[in-house]
Amino acid sequence: DGGITQSPKYLFRKEGQNVTLSCEQNLNHDAMYWYRQDPGQGLRLIYYSQIVNDFQKGDIAEGYSVSREKKESFPLTVTSAQKNPTAFYLCASMSAQETQYFGPGTRLLVL
Amino acid sequence: AQTVTQSQPEMSVQEAETVTLSCTYDTSESDYYLFWYKQPPSRQMILVIRQEAYKQQNATENRFSVNFQKAAKSFSLKISDSQLGDAAMYFCAYLGWETSGSRLTFGEGTQLTVNP
Repeated sequence: DGGITQSPKYLFRKEGQNVTLSCEQNLNHDAMYWYRQDPGQGLRLIYYSQIVNDFQKGDIAEGYSVSREKKESFPLTVTSAQKNPTAFYLCASMSAQETQYFGPGTRLLVL
Repeated sequence: AQTVTQSQPEMSVQEAETVTLSCTYDTSESDYYLFWYKQPPSRQMILVIRQEAYKQQNATENRFSVNFQKAAKSFSLKISDSQLGDAAMYFCAYLGWETSGSRLTFGEGTQLTVNP
């Protein structure tokens, strides 16, 4: 099946800890995106990557980092510098027809 | 920067009736795409419909249709014959291009309740 997978579904972070959220796609899409969603709000762009080994900051990149070593993978690291990380994180990839498709999301909670 | 505004935080509709969700956006560009996404309680974002700005014809997908008014920068979603499964948060989104690539800007969402 073609699609976008995110893992884990739930993630718990301790104070001062870095955690990494996984995003994998087998749709052969070049562009990938990370969004943060807070309760009752829309999505805000954290980072995006149009091509392997290249990525751009979005609107709320502080406290986050990414890498794009493979076309299929775009992991997001929530660093200890992100003081309010509790949120729902969504990964997306974009087709050649400029349409974004989303993974099922990861819920990050702070212990 | 582009902005997307959904002025209705909540809407409700009776099953089998029709409802229209509003969206306005601000841009100085002439070429862009517009989308409606649905987010049910599972929180999976599901594409409902998309519209290319250069097309005058309004997009339709089964019971879902849009009213795209480019001059007014308005992009409303009409759901006909509403079903219980249509209950969800609906997001309007604008896709434009920057030197670093294309990106989506989302509205704050409209929570749709469908009453049996």
